[in-house]
Amino acid sequence: GAGVSQSPSNKVTEKGKDVELRCDPISGHTALYWYRQSLGQGLEFLIYFQGNSAPDKSGLPSDRFSAERTGGSVSTLTIQRTQQEDSAVYLCASSFLAGAGTDTQYFGPGTRLTVL
Amino acid sequence: AQKITQTQPGMFVQEKEAVTLDCTYDTSDPSYGLFWYKQPSSGEMIFLIYQGSYDQQNATEGRYSLNFQKARKSANLVISASQLGDSAMYFCAMREGEYGNKLVFGAGTILRVKS
Repeated sequence: GAGVSQSPSNKVTEKGKDVELRCDPISGHTALYWYRQSLGQGLEFLIYFQGNSAPDKSGLPSDRFSAERTGGSVSTLTIQRTQQEDSAVYLCASSFLAGAGTDTQYFGPGTRLTVL
Repeated sequence: AQKITQTQPGMFVQEKEAVTLDCTYDTSDPSYGLFWYKQPSSGEMIFLIYQGSYDQQNATEGRYSLNFQKARKSANLVISASQLGDSAMYFCAMREGEYGNKLVFGAGTILRVKS
């Protein structure tokens, strides 16, 4: 079946602009995660959605970052007033949450964000 | 404190040889999962292998095996019969709890397979 998809694959924006990044998880996966991969910070967790529960936002670096998940499927990560330090690859992952066991997170191809 | 430590920034291995990539972890949660992912230059993160904290046997998936030493808190990845296509960045990651939690990643190890 189809894997996790993300769009756009690349985004170049000017400092101060808002951007929206989209993630479409694997069908049937109830959990969705956003991570950020940057040269200086490695791979960092941003936010986690599980079904209808309140999201775990503990990884969001500032209040300029927000995310939503509509209908338990597609998610959008929004970065307002982008800064140059926001430049990174934003990775989305999803998992089935079958209960105790593997609960493997499968990653999308990422969105490379460049803030000029 | 670092939760996941990968001490080898880069490794070289001869084609067809075996290679071990090191990973140590730190957690006080008795229930956790350990994962290895491969990231080729194309950037995709590919799941390789999983080891649960309660698993009695070391995990194996084809040419990949995980040398799990719980008392030492290490979860080294062994790749047997290396292939040129194994050249990539390899990340060790941990999930604390049974399931449904974020992954914490190590800094990664770049593996280069020589012909």
